[in-house]
Amino acid sequence: ELKVEQNPLFLSMQEGKNYTIYCNYSTTSDRLYWYRQDPGKSLESLFVLLSNGAVKQEGRLMASLDTKARLSTLHITAAVHDLSATYFCAVDKRETSGSRLTFGEGTQLTVNP
Amino acid sequence: EPEVTQTPSHQVTQMGQEVILRCVPISNHLYFYWYRQILGQKVEFLVSFYNNEISEKSEIFDDQFSVERPDGSNFTLKIRSTKLEDSAMYFCATDIQNTGELFFGEGSRLTVL
Repeated sequence: ELKVEQNPLFLSMQEGKNYTIYCNYSTTSDRLYWYRQDPGKSLESLFVLLSNGAVKQEGRLMASLDTKARLSTLHITAAVHDLSATYFCAVDKRETSGSRLTFGEGTQLTVNP
Repeated sequence: EPEVTQTPSHQVTQMGQEVILRCVPISNHLYFYWYRQILGQKVEFLVSFYNNEISEKSEIFDDQFSVERPDGSNFTLKIRSTKLEDSAMYFCATDIQNTGELFFGEGSRLTVL
């Protein structure tokens, strides 16, 4: 059974600071996703990482993937209040031709002024 | 404008009643999925659907659940006899195989009393 673990689960940080969210998974995977979710809202796709060593950046967020270590990171640079949300990583393990995502527990990020 | 449209946005029902949740996916997408998220918890895979049949389902997707695409457009999730523990946000998602993009709808919140 594929397990996906995120840490930390709760993160409170000051504006302007940097921090990293970690996502470990238990078996080999075809791709890894990072999503953002605001309270009561849907899942907003942030990044899709397809191969070992993949690095993607969008604004203050940067995601990387190490398939050998089964680890992905989401790095936050110079946090701002608007980044407050819950961040999920999800691993795609395709048994059939379709997708099947296993999500982590989520990291609830609060950025304080 | 959302690319995957779900209705209703919120439904309240009595335990034991049947519920149908609807999704209008992007027209040229081939794979359709249902995920659910119990309040405050992680997102869980329910079922994938391709070429008018179930491709894969999780252990959550028991005999009380069914999916269909009756008119080639709407993709529906039916819960035959709702239980209290079915209360959750239900997300529809679609993708084109191998593009790496999975689009989630806005979600349908189901409350079972």
